[in-house]
Amino acid sequence: DAKTTQPTSMDCAEGRAANLPCNHSTISGNEYVYWYRQIHSQGPQYIIHGLKNNETNEMASLIITEDRKSSTLILPHATLRDTAVYYCIVRKYGGATNKLIFGTGTLLAVQP
Amino acid sequence: IAGITQAPTSQILAAGRRMTLRCTQDMRHNAMYWYRQDLGLGLRLIHYSNTAGTTGKGEVPDGYSVSRANTDDFPLTLASAVPSQTSVYFCASSEGTGNSIAFFGQGTRLTVV
Repeated sequence: DAKTTQPTSMDCAEGRAANLPCNHSTISGNEYVYWYRQIHSQGPQYIIHGLKNNETNEMASLIITEDRKSSTLILPHATLRDTAVYYCIVRKYGGATNKLIFGTGTLLAVQP
Repeated sequence: IAGITQAPTSQILAAGRRMTLRCTQDMRHNAMYWYRQDLGLGLRLIHYSNTAGTTGKGEVPDGYSVSRANTDDFPLTLASAVPSQTSVYFCASSEGTGNSIAFFGQGTRLTVV
């Protein structure tokens, strides 16, 4: 599975959009981009995933560049409850296992 | 719907003692996983199981063992605990291999003294 690079931390004002970047320059054609988040002291929570098209759900939007070497998770109207560590993970589709390899993620602090 | 249940929530354990962390899911997911989380190191995969009756090693398997006798349960055993196994342990499950989403339990905080 490809390695990902994320900033260690970011701040965002409450009510504004939070844009969390992720670099995955070694991604291969059959690898998906997944985003999870972990609110303090809780288990990680799935947010969204995509292959090459932009994706949107009730939680967030995922923008993947055309060359697929980077992506951005967008929380359109961040709230204080969105303060968490956000993990960008790249994994193969249909691999022998479904194991997710987490990095250290980005700590997003939403400020009032 | 309970999802994934881990027990105990927290535990203080004397070094050298044996300990089993329990994990049960009610979603009939085929795949299950154990992770540990340490400050500054993120989540690291210990062991996984793609389906009942099979297990595999993750990134940091040493000192841990698992079994998967049925679909719902995936216990993690520390045969002889050491202080370096002090950590927060998370169990997770997913419907299967491939492009499926993992669901996590709330964690077990283990302190080995």
